[in-house]
Amino acid sequence: GENVEQHPSTLSVQEGDSAVIKCTYSDSASNYFPWYKQELGKRPQLIIDIRSNVGEKKDQRIAVTLNKTAKHFSLHITETQPEDSAVYFCAASRTGGGNKLTFGTGTQLKVEL
Amino acid sequence: NAGVTQTPKFRVLKTGQSMTLLCAQDMNHEYMYWYRQDPGMGLRLIHYSVGEGTTAKGEVPDGYNVSRLKKQNFLLGLESAAPSQTSVYFCASRVGGAGEETQYFGPGTRLLVL
Repeated sequence: GENVEQHPSTLSVQEGDSAVIKCTYSDSASNYFPWYKQELGKRPQLIIDIRSNVGEKKDQRIAVTLNKTAKHFSLHITETQPEDSAVYFCAASRTGGGNKLTFGTGTQLKVEL
Repeated sequence: NAGVTQTPKFRVLKTGQSMTLLCAQDMNHEYMYWYRQDPGMGLRLIHYSVGEGTTAKGEVPDGYNVSRLKKQNFLLGLESAAPSQTSVYFCASRVGGAGEETQYFGPGTRLLVL
């Protein structure tokens, strides 16, 4: 089955700096890669996703890049703000079989003033 | 439109007791999923359903059963709870079909097994 590894497990940045979280996946058939943000005690919420036919996608201060050859994808947050502090999860899935998501273990992002 | 809801929000069980967690969605989604979330381990899939009357095993199905008798509801059962099942349980649903992969999560159920 799919295996998703996520790094780093914790990340501390100064407000206004950029943050990058990286994930690798093992199943070359995976074609959908979402990123979820989870605040303390809350449900995971989708912030951005990318499909395998696209190399990069951007939405305001967040962007995701995908390298299918190397089987890794990354989340980039620019101009970080205190409200960006949360746990971020990457995930991967393939078409069929329920489109099951396999999640990474999460990155605790702390944006310091 | 309430989205995905879960009942109960919090529960304490003794080892060996049974309980059922309810997930309900009002978005007419075909697919529904049950995950557990443990510290440092992300979300792991327990069981899932691709439509009313269907269920399938996920990554960590042992000790759990599920049923999807109605399209809008997905029930997760623990027949004999164990301390290892202490976790936060999340339900999710999605429309189904190509290009509609986004999963929407419920608020979670926090379960403590003593």
